Amino acid sequence: SQTIHQWPATLVQPVGSPLSLECTVEGTSNPNLYWYRQAAGRGLQLLFYSVGIGQISSEVPQNLSASRPQDRQFILSSKKLLLSDSGFYLCAWATPPNRDEQFFGPGTRLTVL
Amino acid sequence: RKEVEQDPGPFNVPEGATVAFNCTYSNSASQSFFWYRQDCRKEPKLLMSVYSSGNEDGRFTAQLNRASQYISLLIRDSKLSDSATYLCVVNRGANAGKSTFGDGTTLTVKP
Repeated sequence: SQTIHQWPATLVQPVGSPLSLECTVEGTSNPNLYWYRQAAGRGLQLLFYSVGIGQISSEVPQNLSASRPQDRQFILSSKKLLLSDSGFYLCAWATPPNRDEQFFGPGTRLTVL
Repeated sequence: RKEVEQDPGPFNVPEGATVAFNCTYSNSASQSFFWYRQDCRKEPKLLMSVYSSGNEDGRFTAQLNRASQYISLLIRDSKLSDSATYLCVVNRGANAGKSTFGDGTTLTVKP
């Protein structure tokens, strides 16, 4: 069965510091991968998605970037965090036959101080 | 106007009640629709897909009305464990993978 891992679970970072969040998927190949952010009490905002190694699509301009160095690895990064980057970061995957059904990792709760 | 809109609630119902949530979407080209459940400070989990013909899974029934561009979720015989936030999700195109999430409707089931 497929599993998805995210780490760390929680993170407190100062403004201006760098960020690297990692997501890995097991038990599937060639998944679509997604990064979402959820602000407190709000819905999910799609940040990036990837249909293959090295292929990244950005949904909104922001202080973040994403990379997919391996088929089942998706990384979210920032060179300098802003206060507004605080939130709950969720990685998700989807695979055939129905790439529309997405399954989420446990998330990383980021607080920028 | 938001692409996907839900009544935020909260809905407070007694155990055993029937409760219904509605969700409207603005993009008429949307292809697939889902309901997710999210517990406090946890990741969303897929509850059910929503098909044009309507579909049922135990106490849960989902329906789609393409003409009016809304989907609904009906929960019968509510349990305490149904307390959660329910997210409506609309995908912009077949297998495009880009989903838009509503802000969610919060349900609290009380004894």
